[in-house]
Amino acid sequence: EVQLVESGGGLGQPGGSLRLACAASGFTFTDYWMHWVRQVPGKGLVWVSRINPDGTITNYAESLKGRFTISRDNAKNTVYLQMNSLRAEDTALYYCVRDAAGGLVDYWGQGALVTVSS
Amino acid sequence: DVVVTQSPPSLPVTLGQPASISCRSSQSLVYTDGKTYLSWFQQRPGQSPRRLIYEVSKRDSGVPDRFSGSGSGTEFTLKISRVEAEDVGVYYCMQGKHWPSFGQGTRLQIK
Repeated sequence: EVQLVESGGGLGQPGGSLRLACAASGFTFTDYWMHWVRQVPGKGLVWVSRINPDGTITNYAESLKGRFTISRDNAKNTVYLQMNSLRAEDTALYYCVRDAAGGLVDYWGQGALVTVSS
Repeated sequence: DVVVTQSPPSLPVTLGQPASISCRSSQSLVYTDGKTYLSWFQQRPGQSPRRLIYEVSKRDSGVPDRFSGSGSGTEFTLKISRVEAEDVGVYYCMQGKHWPSFGQGTRLQIK
């Protein structure tokens, strides 16, 4: 069974940093792209970032470039999202998402809630 | 960037009646391999999104056959042949050809 379990969410300070992690199991992690998608409660889905299977290609939503960094540790079957210079508008539920082909998203985790507030 | 536009934003439907959601892309979603990376997701209240349809019309395992997808190029449709109570939620289309992007969502509710 495919499982994606996010961790690392919580309260962050404006201008501060948080790192999310997503532990994957139930599939061959190194065969898949991985994404982060966020959702402000009650609002729509917004793509944040993606990384290819060997970690050599990363892409970001234009508005987030320079503040967020995606990475992965294939030995630990884990993908990360480092979030720096946090802003109130980064408050959202962050989903870890699997992708079979660079644009074929399928399974989603349960999400990690990030709240940015002083 | 590819803009994906969904309509309607809200869709009240009587139980047992059909429903249809439209998704339009600002650019063609046909990839170099001939595939079209357009998917549909259902998000029930309090849950994570679940994929229903991928590559325009392929139904995921376990998805009832009352759900169907169609379209090509830049115009796509999700249809529910007979709405059931468990179909309540928000539906999103997503394009995966360029930087991934989602439609704004369609909230399906029972009339």
